[in-house]
Order: sequence, then structure tokens, then C-alpha cells
Amino acid sequence: GAGVSQTPSNKVTEKGKYVELRCDPISGHTALYWYRQSLGQGPEFLIYFQGTGAADDSGLPNDRFFAVRPEGSVSTLKIQRTERGDSAVYLCASSLVGNNEQFFGPGTRLTVL
Amino acid sequence: GEDVEQSLFLSVREGDSSVINCTYTDSSSTYLYWYKQEPGAGLQLLTYIFSNMDMKQDQRLTVLLNKKDKHLSLRIADTQTGDSAIYFCAGADTGRRALTFGSGTRLQVQP
Repeated sequence: GAGVSQTPSNKVTEKGKYVELRCDPISGHTALYWYRQSLGQGPEFLIYFQGTGAADDSGLPNDRFFAVRPEGSVSTLKIQRTERGDSAVYLCASSLVGNNEQFFGPGTRLTVL
Repeated sequence: GEDVEQSLFLSVREGDSSVINCTYTDSSSTYLYWYKQEPGAGLQLLTYIFSNMDMKQDQRLTVLLNKKDKHLSLRIADTQTGDSAIYFCAGADTGRRALTFGSGTRLQVQP
């Protein structure tokens, strides 16, 4: 079956620009997560949605980062006024509500020049 | 919050067993996970262990959990070149679903 998909796979932008990253979770998974992975590090948690609402956004680094999931399926991670330090692979994962087995997408590699 | 640490690198010969170690701080983590990441690919969930278990075996994979020492290990039997990847252990703080990952152990399998 289809796994988690993310688009685009690569995004290059200039410092100060706005970007949107999209995640399509596994069908039927009501929980959705965003993580960020810098080179040589493990993923770091950003935000978790249960349905349409953000149940835990404690990992968002600052108010330039925002995520939505308006219909409880697809989610968009939005980054305003990008900085070079935002360059990383942004990973999305989804799981069933009853457990925490998180299945990850291939990620979006964001490069801020 | 949860803190997870792993050794950075492990090299083994094809056919040998590999043991990847992990230590964690939150003793109340309900589940502990092992993920595999191949170059340019996403994270693949390999296996997990519930905190009330000491051991879990799944084909070539054996997970051992020592709650007293807060130590988790992943043993891969008959390691193959296709097992070359970065392996991450992960856990979650009590009551939270956010996973905290270690920095990963790069496994290199020599033919």
C-alpha cells in the first residue's frame, strides 16, 4: 500500500523567502508528525497533529514555523523568512491513533542559500 | 525530557553478528524503537519493544532491554551488506507521542 509521501523532494530557496512543505500521510492514520533532521543528527520533533488539531507543537523552534492540517489528512509545514540555519531534511510521519508506530516519509531536503 | 545516546560507528564482517547499543534517560518510556536509514531514504521502522519486556526477537533481529541500566541494544544476526545503514534508537517521554532519537550508529558491513 501507499506510504507517507512528501513534496517536493528537494527545495532550494533564498534567505528571507517563504516555503511550504507538504505531507500526505498513510490513509487512515489520524496522527501526523513533523521532524527535522540536520546532517549527522537524528530527527528532532517539531509538531504532532491528532486529527485537525496540533496536539503538541513544543518542538517548533520559533514563530517563523507553522503547520496546518485543515481536513485531518494532508499537512503543510510553513516556514516564513527562511534562514540558512533552517537548511535540513524535513520528515513527516504518521501513525494510527492507538499506537505510536510512526511511519516516515522520504523527507523534503530544504536548502536555504 | 528524554535523552538518547548511541555510539557513532560500527564495522563488522559479512556473516558476523552486529550489536548496536543505546542508552536513554527516561525510564518510564512505554515503547523503545529501532529505525534504519539508508542513504537518501526515509526512516524505516525495524522493531520496537514494550517497556515491560526484556527481549524481543524478530527473524534476524533481537532487541534487549535492561531497564535498570536504561540500556537498549539491537542485535543483527548473520549481518549482510544490505544491512549497511544508519540505525537510530528512539523513545518517547511519558504521556507524549513525540519521539526523541539518538544521533544514530553507522553500521558498515565489510564483504
